[in-house]
Amino acid sequence: DIQMTQSPSTLSASVGDRVTITCRASQSISSWLAWYQQKPGKAPKLLIYKASSLESGVPSRFSGSGSGTEFTLTISSLQPDDFATYYCQQYNSYRWTFGQGTKVEIK
Amino acid sequence: EVQLVESGGGLVKPGGSLRLSCAASGFTFSSYSMNWVRQAPGKGLEWVSSISSSSSYIYYADSVKGRFTISRDNAKNSLYLQMNSLRAEDTAVYYCARDTGFAFNPWGQGTLVTVSS
Repeated sequence: DIQMTQSPSTLSASVGDRVTITCRASQSISSWLAWYQQKPGKAPKLLIYKASSLESGVPSRFSGSGSGTEFTLTISSLQPDDFATYYCQQYNSYRWTFGQGTKVEIK
Repeated sequence: EVQLVESGGGLVKPGGSLRLSCAASGFTFSSYSMNWVRQAPGKGLEWVSSISSSSSYIYYADSVKGRFTISRDNAKNSLYLQMNSLRAEDTAVYYCARDTGFAFNPWGQGTLVTVSS
């Protein structure tokens, strides 16, 4: 199975900060990567698909980049609504796997 | 509006069985593959099982293979997960999610399964 490793596990930031989360795949997944946001007690919400395509309705401060084995999710200016846990997911192999998550906390 | 609503969760003893359901609305259910994903308390997301639109292709995580069975009824716009031989480590919120071909979107609100004596 393809292993997905996110870093950092926890991130403390302030409103207005630029935030970057990294996701690494154990083998090349081309651009078959998605990013999700999850708030406590809620289902995950799709933010980015195919590594860099913004899901409809998602604010433009979210962006994704990368290909192969290394990917990033960037929030250009952190807003109060963005404090949540973020997960990457590989979509290259049918045994879909997720990163362990990155919790973005208020500094 | 595209909507997925899970049901069937609850408390079950180790070794017991439970059947989860996911009711779909707002889209052509028979055109999409579907998935079950679970999340143990305080933990991350774990993909459990996938089924193609016509049920021709079915996949399971190693952790549930041989114990769980995914199925669907396109006439009823419903997805199911039959869970047998349940273990404490199966305790989790179980989500159903539509497969768009690029990601899982949307997800249902989840149903909690607790395996405990």
